[in-house]
Amino acid sequence: SYELTQSLSVSVALGQTARITCGGNNIGSKNVYWYQQQPGQAPVVVIYRDSNRPPGIPERFSGSNSGNTATLTISRAQAGDEADYYCQVWDSNTGVFGGGTKLTVL
Amino acid sequence: QLQLQESGPGLVKPSETLSLACTVSAVSIRASSYYWGWIRQPPGKGLEWIGNIYYSGSTYDNPSLNSRVTISVDMSKNHFSLKLSSVTAADTAVYYCASGRYGYGSPGALDYWGQGMLVTVSS
Repeated sequence: SYELTQSLSVSVALGQTARITCGGNNIGSKNVYWYQQQPGQAPVVVIYRDSNRPPGIPERFSGSNSGNTATLTISRAQAGDEADYYCQVWDSNTGVFGGGTKLTVL
Repeated sequence: QLQLQESGPGLVKPSETLSLACTVSAVSIRASSYYWGWIRQPPGKGLEWIGNIYYSGSTYDNPSLNSRVTISVDMSKNHFSLKLSSVTAADTAVYYCASGRYGYGSPGALDYWGQGMLVTVSS
């Protein structure tokens, strides 16, 4: 079965750029979705189909996907960006989530 | 705005069947452009996809759940349901129902989520 690998945690200084990666075999051939989950809340999609932002998501959030790695980039990190982030793909109609990355804003 | 709400027992005994429903508001569950799914999250752990059901009635579920999953739609109630059989303590989790649009030949993002419901498996 298809697997996605994320780092357990990433730290970023306030106002700096955070990069969260998601590794998978030839992930560049798939559409990648990124979700933000605040404590006690349901996840919210922040990037869809690799690099598209839903309405209401700040331009500070961007995504890219190539080869074996997809990346979520958060520019000018704010305290409110501190959360868990999950990547997700569809593999033959089967959903696969990465293990999640906890973003800490210092 | 599409809204989802989970309901069902919060406590299930080991070896029994977990049954949850997800009520859909503002959109007909018959709509061909949406798919309907279940995701769970054990306490302190990550998200796990359980399965989806589509307008056609086709269902797909996580192979790691060893065919214990049944997802169905009740059009008269505008809701869809999850049944997970032979549960153990490892099935204790917050269960989310979710939905998104189907297009480009595959499901899209999980755009809409219920608030989640904790189900505990314990005797």
